[in-house]
Amino acid sequence: QVQLVESGGGVVQPGRSLRLSCAASGFTFSCCGMHWVRQAPGKGLEWVALIWYDGSKEYYADSVKGRFTISRDNSRNTLYLQMNSLRAEDTAVYHCARYVTGTGLDYWGQGTLVTVSS
Amino acid sequence: EIVLTQSPGTLCLSPGERATLSCRASQSVSSSYLAWYQQKPGQAPRVLMSGASSRATGIPDRFSGSGSGTDFTLTISRLEPEDFAVYYCQQFGSSPWTFGQGTKVEIK
Repeated sequence: QVQLVESGGGVVQPGRSLRLSCAASGFTFSCCGMHWVRQAPGKGLEWVALIWYDGSKEYYADSVKGRFTISRDNSRNTLYLQMNSLRAEDTAVYHCARYVTGTGLDYWGQGTLVTVSS
Repeated sequence: EIVLTQSPGTLCLSPGERATLSCRASQSVSSSYLAWYQQKPGQAPRVLMSGASSRATGIPDRFSGSGSGTDFTLTISRLEPEDFAVYYCQQFGSSPWTFGQGTKVEIK
């Protein structure tokens, strides 16, 4: 069955960096675009970034552009989110999610919590 | 950026009642690129509808979607206890992909 498992979250000081990983299994990872979506405590969903199935294109929310980088390693079935210059407002649960054309985000991981605090 | 506005913010209904949730876009969205998600506390979201009106795998037929252009609707024909949750619409027709702020369906 399709599984997405995030890791790498934790407590980090403002201005520091963190790298999240999302390990995929149960499907051909290279088939699909992959996304990061975050949810601040008690708030709604916020789309963060998208990478195409082959890594050839990336898209970002304005709130993270220039600070976050999405990448993937299809040989390792893993998605990444490099987060630099972290701010308090980046505090959230970060979910990775699979995108199949026309179906929306059909599988989600349970998320990893990132807390930015001094 | 396409802004999605969901209404109402909270819907208080009883099991067995009909729920109608609205999602309005600031500019036209192809119906092929509008999805609805359900999220329960402590859980990841799950997709209910894609293409505005196509149920995702395993979603019961009491859920239906409709709409086009800038106005979309998710209808739950008869609320079951497990349907009380927060619902989000999302457009994936143009970057940045955006979500609505959510509608909470709670038990009256």
